[in-house]
Amino acid sequence: AQSVTQLDSHVSVSEGTPVLLRCNYSSSYSPSLFWYVQHPNKGLQLLLKYTSAATLVKGINGFEAEFKKSETSFHLTKPSAHMSDAAEYFCVVSDQGAQKLVFGQGTRLTINP
Amino acid sequence: NAGVTQTPKFRVLKTGQSMTLLCAQDMNHEYMYWYRQDPGMGLRLIHYSVGEGTTAKGEVPDGYNVSRLKKQNFLLGLESAAPSQTSVYFCASSLDSAKRPQHFGDGTRLSIL
Repeated sequence: AQSVTQLDSHVSVSEGTPVLLRCNYSSSYSPSLFWYVQHPNKGLQLLLKYTSAATLVKGINGFEAEFKKSETSFHLTKPSAHMSDAAEYFCVVSDQGAQKLVFGQGTRLTINP
Repeated sequence: NAGVTQTPKFRVLKTGQSMTLLCAQDMNHEYMYWYRQDPGMGLRLIHYSVGEGTTAKGEVPDGYNVSRLKKQNFLLGLESAAPSQTSVYFCASSLDSAKRPQHFGDGTRLSIL
């Protein structure tokens, strides 16, 4: 069965420094992978998605993620953090039947001034 | 563009009471989902629907029922509320597959006393 592990429950960086949120997945097939962001008291918003077209995926707000099959990873990065990036981030994988999603437990990103 | 609308946004119930949460989408999406979000546990799928008149169980279906009588609406029912069902509930929809991005509502905060 597919699963997702977000390696850090909380990441704290200073404004203007790089952001790295780590995600490993387990899947016996070629999955679709997503990163979603959730700001306080809001629903989830899609940041980016990987669906086998290109291994480096660019998303909104300067975020990008690289799909590495050999490492079963899909880490999220941003070169320079902004205060507005403070939120909860979820790494997500689609199930084999493409009917459901499996969510990681989330990483809370804090940005220090 | 309303997207996904959840009603109500907040509710407090007493143990044993019943209620229905309504999710409406105006994007003509086939797939709809109900999740619950609890601290440190990411989003867990309760029930989902892949089309009008269909429903299926997710990861945590016990204590909940759903109906999809109209394509645009997906109802989540609690027949006899329990304190363990205190949570934030999110509805989402996607066009025709879990490989497509899911669009989320802003959530319903439900407290069971």
